[in-house]
This record gives sequence, C-alpha cells and structure tokens, in this order.
Amino acid sequence: AQTVTQSQPEMSVQEAETVTLSCTYDTSESDYYLFWYKQPPSRQMILVIRQEAYKQQNATENRFSVNFQKAAKSFSLKISDSQLGDAAMYFCAYGETSGSRLTFGEGTQLTVNP
Amino acid sequence: GAVVSQHPSWVICKSGTSVKIECRSLDFQATTMFWYRQFPKQSLMLMATSNEGSKATYEQGVEKDKFLINHASLTLSTLTVTSAHPEDSSFYICSAERVPFTDTQYFGPGTRLTVL
Repeated sequence: AQTVTQSQPEMSVQEAETVTLSCTYDTSESDYYLFWYKQPPSRQMILVIRQEAYKQQNATENRFSVNFQKAAKSFSLKISDSQLGDAAMYFCAYGETSGSRLTFGEGTQLTVNP
Repeated sequence: GAVVSQHPSWVICKSGTSVKIECRSLDFQATTMFWYRQFPKQSLMLMATSNEGSKATYEQGVEKDKFLINHASLTLSTLTVTSAHPEDSSFYICSAERVPFTDTQYFGPGTRLTVL
C-alpha cells in the first residue's frame, strides 16, 4: 500500500517570503500522480498543483511550484511571495493511475504572519 | 469549471436515525465519485469509491451496511448513514473525477454530521 508522509505538522512564514513544505511517499509503482491540496478554515479542499510522475519537468502554478524527485520519492511544495490567504492546512496526496484512489498525508498547517 | 456541491452542509440527527448526504457535480459528468471522512485536525480517510451504475467499492474497515452509497447518475452520488450513532459524528467530504478522465479529483465543501 502507498503511504504519504508530511513531516512538518506546522510551518510559519512571513508575508511576502518563501516557504517550502515537505512530502515523501512510498510506492512500488512507476506511473502515478501527486497532488497538493489546500484546506482553509472553510474546509473546502482546493487543488493547488498536480504532477504526473512520468514528467520530469516540475509543475508550476503562479506562485506555487514543486520539486519532484522521483528516485528519492520526494514531492515538496514551494510557495513564493506568501500571502495571508495562503494560510491553510496543506495536504500532499498520492494518486493511483488505475482507479484514481487518493492517499493523503497528515497535513501541514501553514501560518502566514503579517 | 469543476464545481462539486454537497447537501446538506450540516445536519444534526438523533441516534438511531438515518441521514442522507448528496454529492453533485454541477458542470461536468463524473463516472467516479469518492467519499471521505475527516475527524478534527486529521487527514482525509477514503471510505468508498462510487461508480455510476455499479456497486460501490468500500475501503477495509468501512461497514457497507452502515454507509450506503448510491451513484444513480453521472452527476449524483448519495451517502446514507444508517442507524447513526454519536461515533458517526464527523465531517464527510465527497469528490468527483471529471469525464473524460483527468485523474484529478474535485472536492465538495463537505457535510458536518452531528449525532446526538
């Protein structure tokens, strides 16, 4: 079974600074997807970024980018120019290609300080 | 695009009663929907995978007779918590996978269930 580990239960960053959230996973598959989801206090899960394992190029979405290291099974999220609205719980998730089941990490609570 | 709704957003019921939660994909079709449970300050735990027109696939440890799932159309899946007890109180979240497959799940806003 796949496992996803987020070793940072809490992180904080100053507004306008950069922060990196860590995620590692374990799988025997070669083809899969990785995701970062954001869950603000409203508890609505919001897709932040998506990465296909077969793509070597790291995904980027505006201020959000990932560092995908397939061999190391690492998938970190970098948030640049942090904004107050970025404060939320961030979940790393592993997605199977067959059946699309998601396995989530424990989450990292991000605080953005003004 | 890719909006998923849930109804109700919160519900309070008495122990022993049944509660139905609806999950709808508003602007896309979804052959597959997923139901998760989330306890306070914890991660999402997958309960079951719902496929349109067929029986749901339940995760290990999830009682299929207690959590009834129906996926009758390409835009609607329902979760019925039967004979609810206080330990069933939780936050239930659904997600839907867009057709054609994008291997990306879009989540509903969740339903908070409190069983008295």
